[in-house]
Amino acid sequence: GAGVSQSPRYKVAKRGQDVALRCDPISGHVSLFWYQQALGQGPEFLTYFQNEAQLDKSGLPSDRFFAERPEGSVSTLKIQRTQQEDSAVYLCASSLLTGQEETQYFGPGTRLLVL
Amino acid sequence: KQEVTQIPAALSVPEGENLVLNCSFTDSAIYNLQWFRQDPGKGLTSLLLIQSSQREQTSGRLNASLDKSSGRSTLYIAASQPGDSATYLCACKLVFGKGTKLTVNP
Repeated sequence: GAGVSQSPRYKVAKRGQDVALRCDPISGHVSLFWYQQALGQGPEFLTYFQNEAQLDKSGLPSDRFFAERPEGSVSTLKIQRTQQEDSAVYLCASSLLTGQEETQYFGPGTRLLVL
Repeated sequence: KQEVTQIPAALSVPEGENLVLNCSFTDSAIYNLQWFRQDPGKGLTSLLLIQSSQREQTSGRLNASLDKSSGRSTLYIAASQPGDSATYLCACKLVFGKGTKLTVNP
C-alpha cells in the first residue's frame, strides 16, 4: 500500500471491555513497531516485530496487552479488560529492513478512549 | 536506559525567522537519530534521519546536526512558514522526546 494504515481510527470502550487495534504496514516492510502516545507526550515504545517474530515486548505495560503478527504482515494489538489509563493514541510504524537503523513510517494512529 | 529531552517545549516565532530546536540524549551509543513532525490528530512524519557516523543531514529548509559525544542534536529550520507549525519530535533507540510545539505566526 501507499502507507501505513490503522483501524479503527477512533475507539470508545467501556472499562473492562476488550479491544483490538489493527495495523497494515507498508507492503514488504520487515519491521513493525507499536507505540502508545498519551496526550502531550512523545510516543512510548510497546513492542517490535521482525516479520512474524515478536523480538521485543519490553514496553507492554501489563499482561493485558498482547500483540501478534502471525503472517508477518498485518498486526493486531489487543488490550484486555481495558482501564481508563489505557486511553491514548496507539501508533503503528513499519520500516523496510531490520533493527533500529531504518527510517520508520508511521500510521495515523488509533485514538482509544476508555470510559 | 535512554532518556531524550527536547527544549523548548513550545516556541512561537514570526514568519520568516530562522529557528533551532534542541534534542539531548543520555546514551551516546546510538545507531541513528531521527526527527519527526506531528500535526494535531495525525501520525508522525519522518523529516530527517542522521546515522551515527554522520554529523548532519539536510532536506530543503531543514538541517539536522548530531554530536554523539555531547549527546545533542539540533534541528535548524530556515525562513520559517506558517505551514511549519506542528510538534517536532526527536527519537533514538526507540525512545522519543516529548516534542517541541512550534507556532509560526503569519
